[in-house]
Amino acid sequence: NAGVTQTPKFQVLKTGQSMTLQCAQDMNHEYMSWYRQDPGMGLRLIHYSVGAGITDQGEVPNGYNVSRSTTEDFPLRLLSAAPSQTSVYFCASSRSRVYEQYFGPGTRLTVT
Amino acid sequence: DAKTTQPNSMESNEEEPVHLPCNHSTISGTDYIHWYRQLPSQGPEYVIHGLTSNVNNRMASLAIAEDRKSSTLILHRATLRDAAVYYCILRDTGGSQGNLIFGKGTKLSVKP
Repeated sequence: NAGVTQTPKFQVLKTGQSMTLQCAQDMNHEYMSWYRQDPGMGLRLIHYSVGAGITDQGEVPNGYNVSRSTTEDFPLRLLSAAPSQTSVYFCASSRSRVYEQYFGPGTRLTVT
Repeated sequence: DAKTTQPNSMESNEEEPVHLPCNHSTISGTDYIHWYRQLPSQGPEYVIHGLTSNVNNRMASLAIAEDRKSSTLILHRATLRDAAVYYCILRDTGGSQGNLIFGKGTKLSVKP
């Protein structure tokens, strides 16, 4: 099993550009989520999904969109990048909300 | 969401036991106590979780106070690889959320 994979590892965007961060898992997990982590801080939940076709907002959803068309994939879209979105982004998955979550290696995003 | 309080940092010597405390005075009956850790430049990884009884696994032990208002993560013999930020998180499995809400955690340093 590859576990949770994220691409790209690093990305630099200009203000106003859009992009999609990819997240995939091969464990047939129903629950997937996206977090961001700013320097010296804990992780903050952006969006989550409890299964294909179902998504919901977390603590900091503004400026981000998600969709879940398959169990395996949960992409995060930045609609119009802003410097405040400079952060490290982590994707995670688990069998359900109540089970342990497995995290990907992260995507380091810089918006100039 | 019920909150947790952890020391900002702790130090340990290699091969000695480490006791990482966590206070959660507002814990509810359906909250599980979860511990995750984050090694430098990596995504968080699950360590252990429990509800009322003490729990052991290959990574650590979790000691939960009888009134459940505090808990302690125990690493029996710290290694250099255990240097990480440790997060104590309450996870409400009885409600509609159950998402992980991260605080700032405890940064553990291990000295050779």
